[in-house]
Amino acid sequence: DADVTQTPRNRITKTGKRIMLECSQTKGHDRMYWYRQDPGLGLRLIYYSFDVKDINKGEISDGYSVSRQAQAKFSLSLESAIPNQTALYFCATSDQSASPYNEQFFGPGTRLTVL
Amino acid sequence: GQNIDQPTEMTATEGAIVQINCTYQTSGFNGLFWYQQHAGEAPTFLSYNVLDGLEEKGRFSSFLSRSKGYSYLLLKELQMKDSASYLCAVKTPNDYKLSFGAGTTVTVRA
Repeated sequence: DADVTQTPRNRITKTGKRIMLECSQTKGHDRMYWYRQDPGLGLRLIYYSFDVKDINKGEISDGYSVSRQAQAKFSLSLESAIPNQTALYFCATSDQSASPYNEQFFGPGTRLTVL
Repeated sequence: GQNIDQPTEMTATEGAIVQINCTYQTSGFNGLFWYQQHAGEAPTFLSYNVLDGLEEKGRFSSFLSRSKGYSYLLLKELQMKDSASYLCAVKTPNDYKLSFGAGTTVTVRA
Protein backbone atom coordinates (compact mmCIF):
# COMPACT_ATOMS: atom_id res chain seq x y z
CA ASP A 1 0.00 0.00 0.00
CA ALA A 2 1.14 3.51 -0.80
CA ASP A 3 2.39 5.53 2.17
CA VAL A 4 1.20 8.87 0.76
CA THR A 5 -2.05 8.91 -1.18
CA GLN A 6 -3.79 11.69 -3.04
CA THR A 7 -7.37 11.96 -4.23
CA PRO A 8 -8.51 12.54 -6.86
CA ARG A 9 -5.70 11.54 -9.24
CA ASN A 10 -7.20 13.49 -12.09
CA ARG A 11 -9.76 16.27 -12.08
CA ILE A 12 -11.24 18.52 -14.71
CA THR A 13 -13.21 21.49 -13.45
CA LYS A 14 -14.53 24.82 -14.66
CA THR A 15 -13.45 28.34 -13.86
CA GLY A 16 -15.00 29.61 -10.65
CA LYS A 17 -15.64 26.21 -9.10
CA ARG A 18 -14.40 25.33 -5.63
CA ILE A 19 -12.29 22.21 -5.53
CA MET A 20 -10.54 20.25 -2.80
CA LEU A 21 -7.53 17.98 -3.20
CA GLU A 22 -6.90 15.53 -0.40
CA CYS A 23 -3.75 13.96 0.93
CA SER A 24 -3.43 11.14 3.44
CA GLN A 25 -0.32 9.46 4.82
CA THR A 26 0.35 6.35 6.85
CA LYS A 27 4.02 7.14 7.50
CA GLY A 28 3.32 8.83 10.84
CA HIS A 29 5.21 11.94 9.71
CA ASP A 30 4.45 15.25 11.33
CA ARG A 31 5.33 17.53 8.41
CA MET A 32 3.20 17.81 5.30
CA TYR A 33 3.55 19.95 2.18
CA TRP A 34 1.62 20.91 -0.95
CA TYR A 35 3.47 21.70 -4.19
CA ARG A 36 2.43 22.44 -7.71
CA GLN A 37 4.52 21.50 -10.73
CA ASP A 38 4.42 23.31 -14.03
CA PRO A 39 6.56 22.55 -17.10
CA GLY A 40 9.80 24.52 -16.97
CA LEU A 41 9.14 25.84 -13.47
CA GLY A 42 9.78 22.86 -11.29
CA LEU A 43 8.08 22.23 -7.97
CA ARG A 44 6.83 25.27 -6.10
CA LEU A 45 5.68 25.22 -2.50
CA ILE A 46 2.08 26.31 -1.86
CA TYR A 47 1.60 25.59 1.86
CA TYR A 48 3.26 23.52 4.53
CA SER A 49 2.37 22.30 7.99
CA PHE A 50 4.68 21.07 10.72
CA ASP A 51 1.87 19.79 12.93
CA VAL A 52 -1.90 20.00 13.22
CA LYS A 53 -1.82 23.49 14.73
CA ASP A 54 0.87 24.87 12.45
CA ILE A 55 0.06 26.11 8.92
CA ASN A 56 2.46 28.21 6.86
CA LYS A 57 2.28 29.87 3.47
CA GLY A 58 4.76 28.87 0.83
CA GLU A 59 5.95 30.90 -2.13
CA ILE A 60 2.70 30.76 -4.13
CA SER A 61 -0.20 30.57 -1.66
CA ASP A 62 -2.51 33.14 -3.30
CA GLY A 63 -5.75 31.53 -4.48
CA TYR A 64 -5.24 28.47 -2.28
CA SER A 65 -6.14 27.46 1.28
CA VAL A 66 -5.34 24.37 3.33
CA SER A 67 -6.68 22.40 6.24
CA ARG A 68 -4.76 19.97 8.47
CA GLN A 69 -7.61 17.86 9.77
CA ALA A 70 -5.35 15.38 11.54
CA GLN A 71 -1.70 14.45 11.61
CA ALA A 72 -2.33 12.13 8.67
CA LYS A 73 -4.52 14.41 6.52
CA PHE A 74 -3.73 17.65 4.72
CA SER A 75 -6.20 19.11 2.21
CA LEU A 76 -5.67 21.81 -0.39
CA SER A 77 -8.59 23.93 -1.60
CA LEU A 78 -8.95 26.18 -4.58
CA GLU A 79 -11.73 28.57 -3.56
CA SER A 80 -12.49 29.74 -7.08
CA ALA A 81 -10.48 27.86 -9.67
CA ILE A 82 -8.91 29.71 -12.59
CA PRO A 83 -7.21 28.30 -15.72
CA ASN A 84 -3.67 29.22 -14.62
CA GLN A 85 -4.12 26.83 -11.69
CA THR A 86 -3.99 23.99 -14.17
CA ALA A 87 -1.00 21.97 -12.98
CA LEU A 88 0.22 18.76 -11.40
CA TYR A 89 -0.18 18.95 -7.61
CA PHE A 90 1.92 16.93 -5.20
CA CYS A 91 1.57 16.32 -1.51
CA ALA A 92 4.70 15.41 0.45
CA THR A 93 5.60 14.40 4.00
CA SER A 94 8.75 14.39 6.11
CA ASP A 95 9.84 13.73 9.66
CA GLN A 96 13.21 14.67 11.05
CA SER A 97 13.17 11.82 13.53
CA ALA A 98 12.48 9.23 10.83
CA SER A 99 15.59 9.77 8.74
CA PRO A 100 18.94 11.52 9.09
CA TYR A 101 18.29 13.18 5.74
CA ASN A 102 14.77 14.38 6.56
CA GLU A 103 13.91 13.79 2.92
CA GLN A 104 10.43 14.44 1.67
CA PHE A 105 8.25 11.60 0.42
CA PHE A 106 5.85 12.48 -2.35
CA GLY A 107 2.37 11.27 -3.17
CA PRO A 108 1.48 10.16 -6.71
CA GLY A 109 0.14 13.57 -7.70
CA THR A 110 -3.18 15.04 -8.81
CA ARG A 111 -3.48 16.34 -12.36
CA LEU A 112 -5.87 19.30 -12.26
CA THR A 113 -7.28 20.97 -15.35
CA VAL A 114 -9.30 24.17 -15.04
CA LEU A 115 -11.29 25.02 -18.16
CA GLY B 1 15.25 34.62 -2.48
CA GLN B 2 16.29 31.29 -3.89
CA ASN B 3 17.91 30.74 -7.27
CA ILE B 4 18.65 27.20 -8.35
CA ASP B 5 19.87 26.50 -11.87
CA GLN B 6 20.26 23.25 -13.75
CA PRO B 7 20.30 22.44 -17.46
CA THR B 8 16.94 21.77 -19.06
CA GLU B 9 17.80 18.68 -21.05
CA MET B 10 20.62 16.19 -21.57
CA THR B 11 20.93 13.20 -23.88
CA ALA B 12 23.30 10.28 -23.47
CA THR B 13 23.86 6.78 -24.77
CA GLU B 14 23.10 3.59 -22.89
CA GLY B 15 26.15 2.51 -20.90
CA ALA B 16 27.66 6.00 -20.85
CA ILE B 17 28.11 8.51 -18.02
CA VAL B 18 26.17 11.75 -17.60
CA GLN B 19 26.85 14.58 -15.18
CA ILE B 20 24.02 16.93 -14.21
CA ASN B 21 25.16 20.21 -12.71
CA CYS B 22 23.26 22.36 -10.24
CA THR B 23 24.25 25.80 -9.05
CA TYR B 24 22.45 27.60 -6.26
CA GLN B 25 22.22 30.98 -4.60
CA THR B 26 20.00 30.74 -1.56
CA SER B 27 19.35 32.58 1.68
CA GLY B 28 20.90 29.94 3.87
CA PHE B 29 21.86 26.35 3.23
CA ASN B 30 21.13 23.19 5.17
CA GLY B 31 21.73 20.48 2.61
CA LEU B 32 21.08 19.62 -1.03
CA PHE B 33 18.88 16.83 -2.36
CA TRP B 34 18.66 15.10 -5.70
CA TYR B 35 15.34 13.53 -6.69
CA GLN B 36 14.45 11.40 -9.71
CA GLN B 37 11.07 11.85 -11.37
CA HIS B 38 9.76 9.66 -14.17
CA ALA B 39 7.19 11.26 -16.43
CA GLY B 40 3.83 11.60 -14.70
CA GLU B 41 5.10 10.09 -11.47
CA ALA B 42 6.13 11.32 -8.04
CA PRO B 43 9.68 12.47 -7.34
CA THR B 44 11.72 9.89 -5.44
CA PHE B 45 14.73 10.58 -3.24
CA LEU B 46 18.17 9.80 -4.70
CA SER B 47 20.80 11.50 -2.58
CA TYR B 48 21.59 14.11 0.04
CA ASN B 49 24.73 16.16 0.59
CA VAL B 50 25.31 18.55 3.46
CA LEU B 51 29.12 18.48 3.65
CA ASP B 52 31.57 19.08 0.82
CA GLY B 53 32.61 16.05 -1.14
CA LEU B 54 31.33 13.05 -3.01
CA GLU B 55 28.59 10.67 -1.88
CA GLU B 56 28.42 7.42 -3.82
CA LYS B 57 25.40 5.17 -3.97
CA GLY B 58 25.72 2.42 -6.55
CA ARG B 59 25.62 3.83 -10.07
CA PHE B 60 24.72 7.28 -8.76
CA SER B 61 27.06 9.76 -7.09
CA SER B 62 26.47 13.30 -5.88
CA PHE B 63 29.04 15.99 -5.20
CA LEU B 64 28.78 19.23 -3.24
CA SER B 65 30.94 22.34 -2.97
CA ARG B 66 29.33 24.77 -0.55
CA SER B 67 31.87 27.54 -1.20
CA LYS B 68 31.03 27.45 -4.91
CA GLY B 69 27.29 26.91 -4.49
CA TYR B 70 27.62 23.90 -6.77
CA SER B 71 26.55 20.30 -6.90
CA TYR B 72 26.45 17.60 -9.52
CA LEU B 73 24.75 14.25 -9.92
CA LEU B 74 26.75 11.62 -11.77
CA LEU B 75 24.93 8.74 -13.41
CA LYS B 76 27.18 5.88 -14.52
CA GLU B 77 26.48 2.88 -16.74
CA LEU B 78 23.33 4.49 -18.00
CA GLN B 79 20.29 2.30 -18.51
CA MET B 80 17.13 3.04 -20.44
CA LYS B 81 15.20 3.19 -17.17
CA ASP B 82 17.34 6.18 -16.12
CA SER B 83 15.44 8.32 -18.63
CA ALA B 84 13.72 10.75 -16.27
CA SER B 85 13.86 14.24 -14.84
CA TYR B 86 16.39 14.92 -12.11
CA LEU B 87 15.54 17.60 -9.59
CA CYS B 88 18.04 19.52 -7.50
CA ALA B 89 16.61 20.93 -4.24
CA VAL B 90 18.18 23.03 -1.49
CA LYS B 91 17.01 22.83 2.11
CA THR B 92 16.94 26.08 4.02
CA PRO B 93 17.82 26.22 7.70
CA ASN B 94 15.33 26.79 10.48
CA ASP B 95 12.18 25.98 8.52
CA TYR B 96 13.44 22.96 6.58
CA LYS B 97 11.69 23.95 3.38
CA LEU B 98 12.96 22.73 0.03
CA SER B 99 13.53 25.00 -2.93
CA PHE B 100 13.62 23.10 -6.21
CA GLY B 101 15.34 23.74 -9.49
CA ALA B 102 13.29 23.32 -12.65
CA GLY B 103 14.72 19.86 -13.27
CA THR B 104 16.91 18.29 -15.94
CA THR B 105 15.32 15.83 -18.34
CA VAL B 106 17.75 13.06 -19.22
CA THR B 107 17.06 10.94 -22.27
CA VAL B 108 19.00 7.69 -22.62
CA ARG B 109 19.30 6.39 -26.18
CA ALA B 110 20.20 2.87 -27.25
